Amino acid sequence: GAVVSQHPSWVICKSGTSVKIECRSLDFQATTMFWYRQFPKQSLMLMATSNEGSKATYEQGVEKDKFLINHASLTLSTLTVTSAHPEDSSFYICSARQDRGLGSPLHFGNGTRLTVT
Amino acid sequence: TQLLEQSPQFLSIQEGENLTVYCNSSSVFSSLQWYRQEPGEGPVLLVTVVTGGEVKKLKRLTFQFGDARKDSSLHITAAQPGDTGLYLCAGKRAGGTSYGKLTFGQGTILTVHP
Repeated sequence: GAVVSQHPSWVICKSGTSVKIECRSLDFQATTMFWYRQFPKQSLMLMATSNEGSKATYEQGVEKDKFLINHASLTLSTLTVTSAHPEDSSFYICSARQDRGLGSPLHFGNGTRLTVT
Repeated sequence: TQLLEQSPQFLSIQEGENLTVYCNSSSVFSSLQWYRQEPGEGPVLLVTVVTGGEVKKLKRLTFQFGDARKDSSLHITAAQPGDTGLYLCAGKRAGGTSYGKLTFGQGTILTVHP
């Protein structure tokens, strides 16, 4: 089955530094990937849609200058949390769609636990 | 306003009991998916339903898509401790302009006690 790999699984960084999270589709191409944020015991909150070769589309309330998204190839999207603050600590998850058929599901990465100290 | 209302948000039951989780909306969805997520991991797809009135079974799990494609349910028979987790419904709105964008319900945290 389709596999989405997310790296790193967890990261601890100091306030003011930047952190990059990678999302790779291992056995399929994904022109579109999605980035989510999840707080403990809550659902996923869509942050942005990452489009290969073009700018990401951000959801309302998500700062594009703080959460930089780059989708440089059909198998890789990156999310960079810039000038991280403790309130950015969260579980970040990416997903990718394998094809464009009706009902085709999203495949999720295993998430990245970010802790900002 | 939550587009997909999922209920209940918390469910704590004993092993062997049955349970149902609901996802309701006033919007029509072209497809709806159910995911299960364990702590520290990404959601894992359980099922996709695309046809109004569709019923799918996965062992002790039964999924139903409403006739009007506005609601769905997940029924678990004889729950086991291994069923414990966060269950998420997610739908792709019919006629949506953002391809692939899913709308998630609030999630249901299920705890099955031995």
